[in-house]
Amino acid sequence: EVQLLESGGAFIQPGGSLRVSCVVSGFTFSSYAMSWVRQAPGKGPEWVSGISGSGENTYYRDSVKGRFTISRDNSKNTLYLQMNRLRAEDTAVYHCAKDKYYDSSGLFDIWGQGTMVTVSS
Amino acid sequence: DIVMTQTPRSLPVTPGEPASISCRSSQSLFNSYDGHTYFDWYLQKPGQSPQLLIYTLSYRASGVPDRFSGSGSGTDFTLKISRVEAEDVGVYYCMQRIAFPYTFGQGTKLEIK
Repeated sequence: EVQLLESGGAFIQPGGSLRVSCVVSGFTFSSYAMSWVRQAPGKGPEWVSGISGSGENTYYRDSVKGRFTISRDNSKNTLYLQMNRLRAEDTAVYHCAKDKYYDSSGLFDIWGQGTMVTVSS
Repeated sequence: DIVMTQTPRSLPVTPGEPASISCRSSQSLFNSYDGHTYFDWYLQKPGQSPQLLIYTLSYRASGVPDRFSGSGSGTDFTLKISRVEAEDVGVYYCMQRIAFPYTFGQGTKLEIK
């Protein structure tokens, strides 16, 4: 069974840093691109960042470029999102999502349940 | 960024009746090089994460009943449910993936009358 399990969400002050993780099982992790998609309370999903199967290619939305870094450790079947200089508008549930292809296509066939990140003073 | 606009925002439906949701994109989602339209539908059931419903305009994802169908072209798209069932409740989102950043519509909440 394919599973994506996020962790690392927390309550953090503006300007702080946090790393969230996603451990996967049930498929060959290195063969697929992955993304982080966030969902603010009561809002629709918002794609944040994506990474190819090898980790060679990374993609970001403009509002997080220079602040967030996506990475993966294929030996540990784990996806990461390092978030720095956090802002109140980054508050959301962060889902990891499996892409259907090796490089980012945006076709998300499996989603994790998410981990909550709250940025507030 | 490509803006995705869904209508209606709320959709009460009687079980057994059809339902239709529209989505419009601010730019064409048709790729003339490969002939594909990079447009998908997701359903987020209560308390769950989004699940893929329809991809590349009209292909049903694995396990999706054939009462769901997707259609449209260019910038105008429609999701149709031929006969709504109780398990179809939730929020439906359209999404474009022809260009970064991938963007979603605001959602349409389907509820049972």
